[in-house]
Amino acid sequence: DGGITQSPKYLFRKEGQNVTLSCEQNLNHDAMYWYRQDPGQGLRLIYYSQIVNDFQKGDIAEGYSVSREKKESFPLTVTSAQKNPTAFYLCASMDRGLYYTFGSGTRLTVV
Amino acid sequence: AQRVTQPEKLLSVFKGAPVELKCNYSYSGSPELFWYVQYSRQRLQLLLRHISRESIKGFTADLNKGETSFHLKKPFAQEEDSAMYYCALRGSNYQLIWGAGTKLIIKP
Repeated sequence: DGGITQSPKYLFRKEGQNVTLSCEQNLNHDAMYWYRQDPGQGLRLIYYSQIVNDFQKGDIAEGYSVSREKKESFPLTVTSAQKNPTAFYLCASMDRGLYYTFGSGTRLTVV
Repeated sequence: AQRVTQPEKLLSVFKGAPVELKCNYSYSGSPELFWYVQYSRQRLQLLLRHISRESIKGFTADLNKGETSFHLKKPFAQEEDSAMYYCALRGSNYQLIWGAGTKLIIKP
């Protein structure tokens, strides 16, 4: 199962805690994306990166942070500033043909 | 404004019946549209794109610029078609703009 690997599959966070979601790809894609998926709301873009050491805020970046130190990796940190973090998080990468490949997702729950 | 609208959150049809999942878009310019599907416990994957005019798993979608629509159709639904379907539009910055999704349930 190559392509994009997200870990963990399930993550539980206590109030006030920061957690980091991992996203790794071996597709040699330059662009990577983080989306949040909530029922009835489709996919909303959190952050994206088109090249190493550069990233941009998406539509709902507040309470999240990212880094892109390596081409293969684009971790997402959900900070305590994110007021409603319980959701399904999807990572994706895009090839030069502009087509997306998605990871299998991480379900984050606040306990 | 660039926007994708899927008016139905849930669509339930009987096996063997025709299926149509609606998608309308708002985009100034020549749109590039996609349908993605997410089966239970599987990752989101591309179903079809309008530029290829292909039929995948019996599904087709025609771009209607006059009605700004890209509805997904299948003449005879099968139980394995039950899934979440998303319509997406490639925006002016090459990123995808997503509809809210339609959950399709095929009843036996």
